[in-house]
Amino acid sequence: DVKVTQSSRYLVKRTGEKVFLECVQDMDHENMFWYRQDPGLGLRLIYFSYDVKMKEKGDIPEGYSVSREKKERFSLILESASTNQTSMYLCASSRTGLDEQYFGPGTRLTVT
Amino acid sequence: QQQVKQSPQSLIVQKGGISIINCAYENTAFDYFPWYQQFPGKGPALLIAIRPDVSEKKEGRFTISFNKSAKQFSLHIMDSQPGDSATYFCAASGNDYKLSFGAGTTVTVRA
Repeated sequence: DVKVTQSSRYLVKRTGEKVFLECVQDMDHENMFWYRQDPGLGLRLIYFSYDVKMKEKGDIPEGYSVSREKKERFSLILESASTNQTSMYLCASSRTGLDEQYFGPGTRLTVT
Repeated sequence: QQQVKQSPQSLIVQKGGISIINCAYENTAFDYFPWYQQFPGKGPALLIAIRPDVSEKKEGRFTISFNKSAKQFSLHIMDSQPGDSATYFCAASGNDYKLSFGAGTTVTVRA
């Protein structure tokens, strides 16, 4: 079974803090994705990576950056957290671009 | 701007009934249309997917109907069960492999 794990289920941070969200997959997948999920908006793609050290912007990259130093790990970074970044963050991975995406359980981030 | 429009936002159905969720898109470059199912506290999981070379795909009690000319597709859940209570997301992607998701439909099946 594919397993995608995220470092925290719940996180509370203060405005202006630097926040790291970590994601690890154990199936040697090429592609990894970060989404945020908000009520009434569905899932929106923040960034994705199709190879180590490669990244591409998704639909809402502003205020976020990512890092992929190893194939199994994809990090989402909020350089200076703001209250409008309070959301559920979901990581996913897929073997190739055409394949099913496997999601982690999500991190609910609250910025106060 | 949402590239995939999904309706309804929520629906309640009696056990044994049919749940129908509709999605519409504008981008004619989309050629892959998956549906994801999400239970509370879990990440979404792929339920069923279709490509535009077929008009219908069935897996158990779940059926996708696809209308290419109308740029619409829908999920039918036959004989709905309480265990089907979840949030369902339609999605679409083209050759850039980026999934665009609908806003989601919360389905509640009453016993």
